Amino acid sequence: QQQVKQSPQSLIVQKGGISIINCAYENTAFDYFPWYQQFPGKGPALLIAIRPDVSEKKEGRFTISFNKSAKQFSLHIMDSQPGDSATYFCAASGSVSGSRLTFGEGTQLTVNP
Amino acid sequence: DTGVSQNPRHKITKRGQNVTFRCDPISEHNRLYWYRQTLGQGPEFLTYFQNEAQLEKSRLLSDRFSAERPKGSFSTLEIQRTEQGDSAMYLCASSLGARSRSYEQYFGPGTRLTVT
Repeated sequence: QQQVKQSPQSLIVQKGGISIINCAYENTAFDYFPWYQQFPGKGPALLIAIRPDVSEKKEGRFTISFNKSAKQFSLHIMDSQPGDSATYFCAASGSVSGSRLTFGEGTQLTVNP
Repeated sequence: DTGVSQNPRHKITKRGQNVTFRCDPISEHNRLYWYRQTLGQGPEFLTYFQNEAQLEKSRLLSDRFSAERPKGSFSTLEIQRTEQGDSAMYLCASSLGARSRSYEQYFGPGTRLTVT
């Protein structure tokens, strides 16, 4: 049962460009939406997270946009750098489910120099 | 380094053997989670602990899998009679949990299991 759908599967951008990754969820009980960055052979690293009481959260070059009515959220990476090349996962969890994370399928981002 | 640690990092075993993995969470984190990640997929939840109590197990966790967290500190995940389909990265994460209302989960580097 896929509760979090992520797109695109892969993304190629030029250095300095904007990377945009989208996610949609089904479970209205979800109330916490993090993004993780994962490099090959490493565990996922928490990048940024948002709760549904705000529509946008920005931390440095990373911004989450959240649309509660559409049940969608997205990650924007501004001024993308080659070092940002990694796999990005969106996830969702809810307090009633013990906060276990349900992950999207991932987006492999390549930033060309 | 006070992050989540996992041992071993890699494990190669023959089908039918038993394996055990260990996870040491961030100090004072009372919630500990186990996830499994196969190539090209996102992590999938297996089970989690609040202190020493195992509160939820996924349907993915067959009878061959067992997890413990004695004394609410480190945790072990054991797989009995391994099968080739068990080959995956096993990830551990920890969080402060409900007491602090913090849902931020921090992952360890994972244990890569290969069943031959």
